[in-house]
Amino acid sequence: AQTVTQSQPEMSVQEAETVTLSCTYDTSESDYYLFWYKQPPSRQMILVIRQEAYKQQNATENRFSVNFQKAAKSFSLKISDSQLGDAAMYFCAYRGYGQNFVFGPGTRLSVLP
Amino acid sequence: DADVTQTPRNRITKTGKRIMLECSQTKGHDRMYWYRQDPGLGLRLIYYSFDVKDINKGEISDGYSVSRQAQAKFSLSLESAIPNQTALYFCATSELPTGGGETQYFGPGTRLLVL
Repeated sequence: AQTVTQSQPEMSVQEAETVTLSCTYDTSESDYYLFWYKQPPSRQMILVIRQEAYKQQNATENRFSVNFQKAAKSFSLKISDSQLGDAAMYFCAYRGYGQNFVFGPGTRLSVLP
Repeated sequence: DADVTQTPRNRITKTGKRIMLECSQTKGHDRMYWYRQDPGLGLRLIYYSFDVKDINKGEISDGYSVSRQAQAKFSLSLESAIPNQTALYFCATSELPTGGGETQYFGPGTRLLVL
């Protein structure tokens, strides 16, 4: 079965600085999708960014970008110019073709003023 | 208005009680899911449904049941609640994927405490 690992239970970053959250996954599939979801204190799960494994180009969404290393099965999230509103739990998720989502345990990000 | 709604938002109940959590969506999606979130474990899939006539068990279905009353409604029941079912419960929806990929859209969650 596929697994998703987030090795950093907690991280902190200074406002306006850059932070990278790590995610690794285990799969034998070649086609799959990877996601980062954000969960602020409101509890709402919000999609941050999505990556298709067949695309070599790393996905970006404004201040959020990923470093997708398919061979290493690594999918890290970089947040640039961190803002107070970025403070949240971040979940990495994997979805194989025709399969259900598998979520990592989450990383709690604090943003220091 | 929110696309995916859950009721109640918070619930306290006692061991042995039957409880139902409800989910409604206005996104027109066929696929609906129930997850539970526990600290340090992320989200785990309880049940999922790809259409009104389709119900499937997820990773942790024991102690739970579901009902898909309509395309827009998917309810989760705890027939006899126990304390280790205390968790944050999420409903999610997604549309039939094209090309294999899909994005899930989540409701606001229901925090359940079983005493």
